[in-house]
Amino acid sequence: GAVVSQHPSRVICKSGTSVKIECRSLDFQATTMFWYRQFPKKSLMLMATSNEGSKATYEQGVEKDKFLINHASLTLSTLTVTSAHPEDSSFYICSARDSASSREQFFGPGTRLTVL
Amino acid sequence: QKEVEQDPGPLSVPEGAIVSLNCTYSNSAFQYFMWYRQYSRKGPELLMYTYSSGNKEDGRFTAQVDKSSKYISLFIRDSQPSDSATYLCAMNLAGGGNKLTFGTGTQLKVEL
Repeated sequence: GAVVSQHPSRVICKSGTSVKIECRSLDFQATTMFWYRQFPKKSLMLMATSNEGSKATYEQGVEKDKFLINHASLTLSTLTVTSAHPEDSSFYICSARDSASSREQFFGPGTRLTVL
Repeated sequence: QKEVEQDPGPLSVPEGAIVSLNCTYSNSAFQYFMWYRQYSRKGPELLMYTYSSGNKEDGRFTAQVDKSSKYISLFIRDSQPSDSATYLCAMNLAGGGNKLTFGTGTQLKVEL
């Protein structure tokens, strides 16, 4: 149990285009999902907290108009990187908190974004 | 000073060795502690989750929390080459809305 999937696993796009990344909790409901960014050999940096049915909460320094988050159901959250630039190239990872559990978070496999 | 300090390694040990991974933290309000394992180019996998001082054992893994010293450890017994990965400690506040604060991760290599 407690499986989180992400799609796509890898994406290459041209500068200026938008990219959507999906995060799904496969066998549990998640009222809260989190989006992280990870640079090579660095730890995870929380970008935003996604709450089902309400607006996401963004961390300081993260542009909400640049990184659009939608959490339309208890099993799906999406992150859209708008007008992507090469500096947006990174490893994006989502996590989901099992609504039935108090604290445990389960992570997706990550999405490698490369912007040319 | 970072809220969570973790030696990035790399740490190289022979197969069968006992591995000790550690994190220190500065915020005494952290109440919940986790250890994640991350293989290269993969998402982190939850290994251990604890919320009280003391030891918690699961198979070859033991998580230890010392809140008085603000120090947590993960021990791996009988280490295997498949344990080679980056190990991340993470923690959150009692009322922190489940936001996790991560250490930088320790890269472990278990050699044959």
